[in-house]
Amino acid sequence: EVQLVESGGGLVKPGGSLRLSCAASGFTFSHYSMNWVRQAPGKGLEWVSSITSITNDIYYAGSVKGRFTISRDNANDSLYLEMSSLRAEDTAVYYCARTSIGGYDFDNWGQGTLVTVSS
Amino acid sequence: QSVLTQPPSASGTPGQRVTISCSGSSSNILFNTVNWYQQFPTTAPKLLILGTDQRPSGVPDRFSGSKSGTSASLAISGLQSEDEADYYCAAWDDSLKGYVFGTGTKVTVL
Repeated sequence: EVQLVESGGGLVKPGGSLRLSCAASGFTFSHYSMNWVRQAPGKGLEWVSSITSITNDIYYAGSVKGRFTISRDNANDSLYLEMSSLRAEDTAVYYCARTSIGGYDFDNWGQGTLVTVSS
Repeated sequence: QSVLTQPPSASGTPGQRVTISCSGSSSNILFNTVNWYQQFPTTAPKLLILGTDQRPSGVPDRFSGSKSGTSASLAISGLQSEDEADYYCAAWDDSLKGYVFGTGTKVTVL
């Protein structure tokens, strides 16, 4: 069974940093592109970042470019999101999601971890 | 601000057909496949339609997807009470070089 478990969320002050992790299991992690998607309270889904398999190509949403860094550790089946210069508008539930092989759809999602940016 | 526009709400009575539109542009829907996600309150989204018109295993066949030009649609035939949820379209955007979600549609079963 595919499982994605996020951790690392919490309360952080504006301008602060936080590192999110996503532990993957039940599939060959290195074969899949991975993503972070967030959802602010009461709002819609917003794609944050993607990292491909094999070539490790990386993409960011304009709203986080230069402040967030996505990375992966295939040896430990883990995905990360390093967030810095955090703003109130970064407050959201952050989901880790797997891209299906050969497609652009996100076929499996974690349960999410809440990041709150507030003084 | 999302580049894919959906109506904020849609509704129907049990058994009716409900259609949700998703309006995009030449940089996303026109040349790329569209995916749809279903989300219940306080839970993670679930893939509902992939590749514009394909259902993952386990998704009932009352859900169907299509697209024409720069717009896509999700249809729910034979609406059921358990279909009450939020629905999002999504696609890769070649200009933004990123994945874009629609604004989301809340479906209510009357």
